[in-house]
Amino acid sequence: DAGVIQSPRHEVTEMGQEVTLRCKPISGHNSLFWYRQTMMRGLELLIYFNNNVPIDDSGMPEDRFSAKMPNASFSTLKIQPSEPRDSAVYFCASSLPTSGVRINEQFFGPGTRLTVL
Amino acid sequence: GDSVTQMEGPVTLSEEAFLTINCTYTATGYPSLFWYVQYPGEGLQLLLKATKADDKGSNKGFEATYRKETTSFHLEKGSVQVSDSAVYFCALNSGGSNYKLTFGKGTLLTVNP
Repeated sequence: DAGVIQSPRHEVTEMGQEVTLRCKPISGHNSLFWYRQTMMRGLELLIYFNNNVPIDDSGMPEDRFSAKMPNASFSTLKIQPSEPRDSAVYFCASSLPTSGVRINEQFFGPGTRLTVL
Repeated sequence: GDSVTQMEGPVTLSEEAFLTINCTYTATGYPSLFWYVQYPGEGLQLLLKATKADDKGSNKGFEATYRKETTSFHLEKGSVQVSDSAVYFCALNSGGSNYKLTFGKGTLLTVNP
C-alpha cells in the first residue's frame, strides 16, 4: 500500500500567486482531512470530507482557501492569492469510514512544505 | 473547548535513558486519547491510544495510561533508542464528533548515541 500521497513535497512561490496542493488518499478510505502545521499554532484541522462531501470547513482560515474532492481518490487544497503567512506544512490524512462513536486511525501523508515569499 | 497541553521541548536524552513526555488535557465528555509520532520528513503516525479511563495504550515499548482524575496521558519508555528521535504529539477526541482530533503542539525528542 502506497499510503497517502501528497504533491508537491515542497513549493516555493511568491506572494499573490495561486497555489494548489494535491492529495491521493488510501484506497478504500472515505474520510479525508487537510491539516496545517506551523510553529506558532501547531497542527490545525482545516477541512474534513466524508464520502467526497465537505462536512466541516470551520478551520479554513479565510476565503482565499478552498478545497475540493471531485472523487474518492483525489483532493485539492487551493490558496489564491497566497500570502507569506500561509507558509506552513500542509498535511492530508485519510481514514476508514467513521461510524457511531468509533474513531478510526487517521493515516497522514508526508506533507507539502509551502513557502510564500 | 477541548485543549491539549504537552511539555515543551526539546528533550535530549542519551540512548537507554528513561523517557517521560507529559500531556494533560481539557475536554468535554469522555475523550479518547492518542499519541502520534512524526519522524523527520514524514507525516504523523499513530503510536498508541486509550479510549477510557485507566486504559493503558502501548506500542514499540512506549506506554501511556489514561488518568481521568489528573486529566493526563503521559508518554513513557523505559529505554530509548536513537531511532526514537522524532516529534511526539498528544491528541484527543472528545467524542462529540468521531473524526475531530485536537493536538498538542508537539515535543521534539533527540536521542544521542
